[in-house]
Amino acid sequence: EVQLLESGGDLVQPGGSLRLSCAASGFTFDNYAFNWVRQAPGKGPEWVSAITAGGGGTEYADSVRGRFTISRDNSKNTVFLQMNSLTVEDTAVYYCAKCFRTTKDAFDLWGQGTRVTVSS
Amino acid sequence: EILLTQSPATLSASPGERATLSCRASQSPNVNLAWYQQKPGQAPRLLIYGISNRAAGVPARFSGSGSGTEFTLTISSLQSEDIAMYYCHEYHTWPPMYTFGQGTKLEIK
Repeated sequence: EVQLLESGGDLVQPGGSLRLSCAASGFTFDNYAFNWVRQAPGKGPEWVSAITAGGGGTEYADSVRGRFTISRDNSKNTVFLQMNSLTVEDTAVYYCAKCFRTTKDAFDLWGQGTRVTVSS
Repeated sequence: EILLTQSPATLSASPGERATLSCRASQSPNVNLAWYQQKPGQAPRLLIYGISNRAAGVPARFSGSGSGTEFTLTISSLQSEDIAMYYCHEYHTWPPMYTFGQGTKLEIK
């Protein structure tokens, strides 16, 4: 079955860290770029970070640059998001999303999301 | 950074009616646009990519159009299962600064 499965979301205090994982199955993982997209309660999606198919290119939204790091392990079909120095504004459901064909493309496959709550 | 403005914020229509959702980009050129449907408690689902191409498995009643800075998602004959939020998404750049619109809530009368 073609799917993405996120994990790692939790309740964390401001200033804390979390590592999210996204496990892919059912397709050739290392052919595609991936993204993390978050959605705060009652808000629209917000793109967070992207990584190219080979992992050599990464990009970040201004709101997370310097605090978040995206990576991937093509041998394990998994994408990661290391989140440091978390603030309450980072509270959201975090989705992993696959680029449709090329690096700059629509997102054709999404995971079910993992919830991150930053609160004291 | 391209900003996307969706209108209306909420659209209420009857089953069988035609629904037109708009997305305006703050600048051109070379905007490439997708549309997503999101139902409560679910992840977004790709409906349209490349302005007017339906994604796999998307019913033919969904269509996308537009150019320049004005884009439209049309649902030709509303069904009850179309109740959802709809977001447009611009993705033409690398390094990416992907942008989503703020959404249109579609309600069925």
